[in-house]
Amino acid sequence: AQTVTQSQPEMSVQEAETVTLSCTYDTSESNYYLFWYKQPPSRQMILVIRQEAYKQQNATENRFSVNFQKAAKSFSLKISDSQLGDTAMYFCAFMKDGSNYKLTFGKGTLLTVNP
Amino acid sequence: GAVVSQHPSRVICKSGTSVKIECRSLDFQATTMFWYRQFPKQSLMLMATSNEGSKATYEQGVEKDKFLINHASLTLSTLTVTSAHPEDSSFYICSATGQSYEQYFGPGTRLTVT
Repeated sequence: AQTVTQSQPEMSVQEAETVTLSCTYDTSESNYYLFWYKQPPSRQMILVIRQEAYKQQNATENRFSVNFQKAAKSFSLKISDSQLGDTAMYFCAFMKDGSNYKLTFGKGTLLTVNP
Repeated sequence: GAVVSQHPSRVICKSGTSVKIECRSLDFQATTMFWYRQFPKQSLMLMATSNEGSKATYEQGVEKDKFLINHASLTLSTLTVTSAHPEDSSFYICSATGQSYEQYFGPGTRLTVT
């Protein structure tokens, strides 16, 4: 079974600064997908960024980028120029290819952006 | 982007009654839908996976007779909590996938059992 570990239950960052959220995973699969989801106080799950394991290039979406280290099974999220609206729970998630699209979530990191 | 709705957003019911939660994909056909449960300040726990026209697959420890899931069409799945008890109070979230692997999440339903 796959496991996803987020070792930082809570983090804080000053507005406009950069913060990195950690995620490691354990799997014996070679084909899979990794995701970061954001859950703001409204509790709506929002996809932040995704990475296909077969792609060596790290995914980037505007201020959000990942550092995907496949050998180390690490998938960290970097948020640049943090904004107050980035305050949310962030969940790292793993999906095995051919798994009927099932997601395995980490426990989450509560990020607070301070003014 | 793809939109998934849930209804109701909040529901309060009395212990012993049943309550139904609907999950709809508004602008795509959802071949697979998922139901999650989330306790305060915790992660999402997958309850079951449903494919249109077939029986749902429940995760270990989830009572299938208590949490009835129906995925009768490509745009609608329902979760019925039968004989609800206060310990069933929680936040329930559905998600759906279409032709790609990306899951689209509904806004969630807060269930309170009194």
